[in-house]
Amino acid sequence: ETGVTQSPTHLIKTRGQQVTLRCSSQSGHNTVSWYQQALGQGPQFIFQYYREEENGRGNFPPRFSGLQFPNYSSELNVNALELDDSALYLCASSSSPGAYEQYFGPGTRLTVT
Amino acid sequence: KQEVTQIPAALSVPEGENLVLNCSFTDSAIYNLQWFRQDPGKGLTSLLLIQSSQREQTSGRLNASLDKSSGRSTLYIAASQPGDSATYLCAVSWGDYKLSFGAGTTVTVRA
Repeated sequence: ETGVTQSPTHLIKTRGQQVTLRCSSQSGHNTVSWYQQALGQGPQFIFQYYREEENGRGNFPPRFSGLQFPNYSSELNVNALELDDSALYLCASSSSPGAYEQYFGPGTRLTVT
Repeated sequence: KQEVTQIPAALSVPEGENLVLNCSFTDSAIYNLQWFRQDPGKGLTSLLLIQSSQREQTSGRLNASLDKSSGRSTLYIAASQPGDSATYLCAVSWGDYKLSFGAGTTVTVRA
């Protein structure tokens, strides 16, 4: 059974640029959630995708957007990067939107300069 | 507002001592509560999940209790080891699609 994978591991971008982060869900899971974890803080929910549709969204601006593909992998896109977007971005997969357990990937460390 | 709080933010103990980590939450109508471990710069590893109908869960040296009426959960780690050094995060589901996390307690176990 393959776990949740994310790419890239690290990324450095300049303020104003755009970035795409990728997540492959665990085998058999159709739901992917994205979280942002700033240094010293707990993860904050960005949004969830289920069956290629956004299923719920946290308190993040529209410049944070996502996609889910037929194989249930997902992308997180962030436009017009700001310094405060520097964080660890985590994705989590689950067997359904209401599943008890979410399985987290190793994260992508984004640094905005 | 539904919030999760973890105090203290950091804890340092000698090897062999039992660890007690606290988590408090507003709104007792939780769906479930999970404890995660996070090593520096890494993803999250689920340790224990407690359903709202349960009072505690145990796995090896780990025991987590849940008291919904007081809005509290406690994670006990028996006979701590240097390998237990990490940040421990508490996360609550209030029945919707997301987890709400505390800021975590960073534990250092001194050899």
